[in-house]
Amino acid sequence: AQSVSQHNHHVILSEAASLELGCNYSYGGTVNLFWYVQYPGQHLQLLLKYFSGDPLVKGIKGFEAEFIKSKFSFNLRKPSVQWSDTAEYFCAVTVDNFNKFYFGSGTKLNVKP
Amino acid sequence: GAVVSQHPSWVICKSGTSVKIECRSLDFQATTMFWYRQFPKQSLMLMATSNEGSKATYEQGVEKDKFLINHASLTLSTLTVTSAHPEDSSFYICSASWSQNTEAFFGQGTRLTVV
Repeated sequence: AQSVSQHNHHVILSEAASLELGCNYSYGGTVNLFWYVQYPGQHLQLLLKYFSGDPLVKGIKGFEAEFIKSKFSFNLRKPSVQWSDTAEYFCAVTVDNFNKFYFGSGTKLNVKP
Repeated sequence: GAVVSQHPSWVICKSGTSVKIECRSLDFQATTMFWYRQFPKQSLMLMATSNEGSKATYEQGVEKDKFLINHASLTLSTLTVTSAHPEDSSFYICSASWSQNTEAFFGQGTRLTVV
């Protein structure tokens, strides 16, 4: 079965620190990869997605992620976090071109001002 | 982006009663909607795929007689939790998209508490 692993459950950073959140998936076929963010009390919002092409994907709010196929990874990065980035981040995959999502367990990010 | 709305946002019900949650795509037609649930400190888990005009497809381990899904139109899917028990208390989220390989939009979720 497909699975998505997020290794960091809770991350605390100070403003201006760099961020990297890990995401690994287990599926050998065609995958589409996503990072979603959920601010307190709000909907899931799409940060970025990878379907094909350049494995370095840039998203909204200065986030980027790199798809490394050989490592089955899709880590999320941001060079300098802000207090407003405090939220929960979910990595997700869809397989075989369907919109059926498999989510990681999420990472809560707290950014201290 | 497209808007998906869930109603209600939160509901408290008594054990043994049934609760209906609605998921609407407000500005696009969604042939497929998905229902997820999220337990505290856990990830979103796919429960079922809701296809307009046909029976829903349930993930392994999800009781189809307990979680009734109806997708009667291209803009509305409903999830009914029948004979709710306290262990059904969870956060239920739907998503909708208009085609494969396109972004799925999520509803704001429904917090169900069964007392």
